[in-house]
Order: sequence, then C-alpha cells, then structure tokens
Amino acid sequence: KAGVTQTPRYLIKTRGQQVTLSCSPISGHRSVSWYQQTPGQGLQFLFEYFSETQRNKGNFPGRFSGRQFSNSRSEMNVSTLELGDSALYLCASSHGTNSPLHFGNGTRLTVT
Amino acid sequence: GQQVMQIPQYQHVQEGEDFTTYCNSSTTLSNIQWYKQRPGGHPVFLIQLVKSGEVKKQKRLTFQFGEAKKNSSLHITATQTTDVGTYFCAYAGGTSYGKLTFGQGTILTVHP
Repeated sequence: KAGVTQTPRYLIKTRGQQVTLSCSPISGHRSVSWYQQTPGQGLQFLFEYFSETQRNKGNFPGRFSGRQFSNSRSEMNVSTLELGDSALYLCASSHGTNSPLHFGNGTRLTVT
Repeated sequence: GQQVMQIPQYQHVQEGEDFTTYCNSSTTLSNIQWYKQRPGGHPVFLIQLVKSGEVKKQKRLTFQFGEAKKNSSLHITATQTTDVGTYFCAYAGGTSYGKLTFGQGTILTVHP
C-alpha cells in the first residue's frame, strides 16, 4: 500500500506570495490532517478534514486554509507569506477515530 | 489548552546504555501515542496506550501509561545507533481523527 504522498518536497517563496501544498492520503483513509513543524514551536496542528469537511482547526491565522476533495486528497494554502511561515509542513492520514497518524515526508517551505 | 510536557529535551548516550523519555500532563489523558522521527524524516507511529497502568513492549522499547493517566514513559534498553532521532508523545483530545497535541520531543543521540 502506498504511503502518504506530499508534493512538492521543497519550496522557496518570497514574502507576500501565496503557496499551495498537496497531500494524497493512504488509500482508504478519509481523514487528512496538517501540521507545521519548526525548531522553536515543534509540531503544531493546523487543521483536519474528514469527508471534505473541516472537523478541527488549530490556532493559526486565517492566511492558512485548506480543503479536501471527494477522493480524500487535500490541499493547504498559505497566503501573504511571512518569514515565520518557513517550516516543514506535514500531512497525515488516518483510518478512524483516535487511530495512528501516518505522515508524509513533508514539504519544506522556505520564505525569503 | 491542555499540554504535555516532555523531558528531557536532549539526551546523549553511549551505545549500549539505556534511555528514558517522560511525558507529563496536568490533566487526565484519554490516550497517549508515541512517535519517532529520524533526522530528516517524518514522524512514525510507534504505539498507543489507552488503559491506566498499561505497559507495552516492542523488542527493546517499553512504553508505560501512568495509573492516573497523567504521565507516560518510553524506555529503550541497550540503545543502538539506529535509535537516533526525536521521540514525541502525543494525545488526541476527545473524538478526533487527526488532531493530536504533541510534546516538544526528546532528541536522542547515540555515540558508537
């Protein structure tokens, strides 16, 4: 079974630009969640989707948004990029309630 | 919100020595999960504990959930260089598919 696939692996953007990251979950997993990982703040929850509906949202500004498609694939968007948005963005899929998360390799975003 | 404190932040050991990381919460947790992230990699699920006083073993790894369900520990016996990485504890609050709150992690270095 293929794992969670995230594209692209690396991105370099300039302040003020916007970016879209993509995530394909493990086949059969309907839940997709996104996390931001930085050395200072660790792993922080962004949002989670289940059957195209956002179920939970973390404490991030409205510049961070996401969506999930009918095939469970998900995208997250960050608008008006700031230097502090530089991070590893991880997508994870899971099978059901309180099930283990399966993470993708992440997208390393650098904002200059 | 509810947080988990993880200690120590760093641990340097000689190969063959034991290692323990602790995860503490001020409130009762319904469950605790442990993940390992290798340098340059993504978090990988290790185990989930849900019962008071639960102890689970995976080869040289022993996981415990406290009687009061407010703390947990991961113990590695006779570390190997392959154990290098960051170990995270995390919990899912309520009914959640993909929303986890992670501890800050313990970075383990093993010197051969």
